[in-house]
Amino acid sequence: NAGVTQTPKFQVLKTGQSMTLQCAQDMNHNSMYWYRQDPGMGLRLIYYSASEGTTDKGEVPNGYNVSRLNKREFSLRLESAAPSQTSVYFCASVVGDRYGYTFGSGTRLTVV
Amino acid sequence: RKEVEQDPGPFNVPEGATVAFNCTYSNSASQSFFWYRQDCRKEPKLLMSVYSSGNEDGRFTAQLNRASQYISLLIRDSKLSDSATYLCVVISGGSYIPTFGRGTSLIVHP
Repeated sequence: NAGVTQTPKFQVLKTGQSMTLQCAQDMNHNSMYWYRQDPGMGLRLIYYSASEGTTDKGEVPNGYNVSRLNKREFSLRLESAAPSQTSVYFCASVVGDRYGYTFGSGTRLTVV
Repeated sequence: RKEVEQDPGPFNVPEGATVAFNCTYSNSASQSFFWYRQDCRKEPKLLMSVYSSGNEDGRFTAQLNRASQYISLLIRDSKLSDSATYLCVVISGGSYIPTFGRGTSLIVHP
């Protein structure tokens, strides 16, 4: 099915471990985004990629890195996980700013 | 002042009621507006875009008031299945970055 695919859906990490969240879209969208969502905080932008080959920081980039591997894939890496990074992570993509954003189903990450 | 503000609610309404939510934005250069719906523990899904002239999709009506810098969502004949959190999204001109409100919770009861 067309859309945005995120893996994994659930993950438990120990403090200090690293991991990469994967995101792929098959809609030929130009821009891709990583958000985190915490209770009472809404969606906060971590990083975004306006087009293939570019990435920029969002509102809460500390502790994360990203790679826009190609037009389809945009990965988010936690180098040394901390309990404060316990959250639900959503990837999204869009073809242009006048069109709606399509979200992946999310990754629920717990850091203990 | 936050860039995009919404009343968190919850709005608790009976089936069949009409309910309206507002969302205010601070950047007068904002050009694109959307309403999203998010069910518990699910991803946000596009409900409808908001056009300058206002637009309707079935029981849902969205409007934009540029002078007062707010968008609204009206839901008529509420259904139990309308229970969800409604997020407004604002995009400033020339920017690829959407700003999300924190959402308004709607609970429709029998």
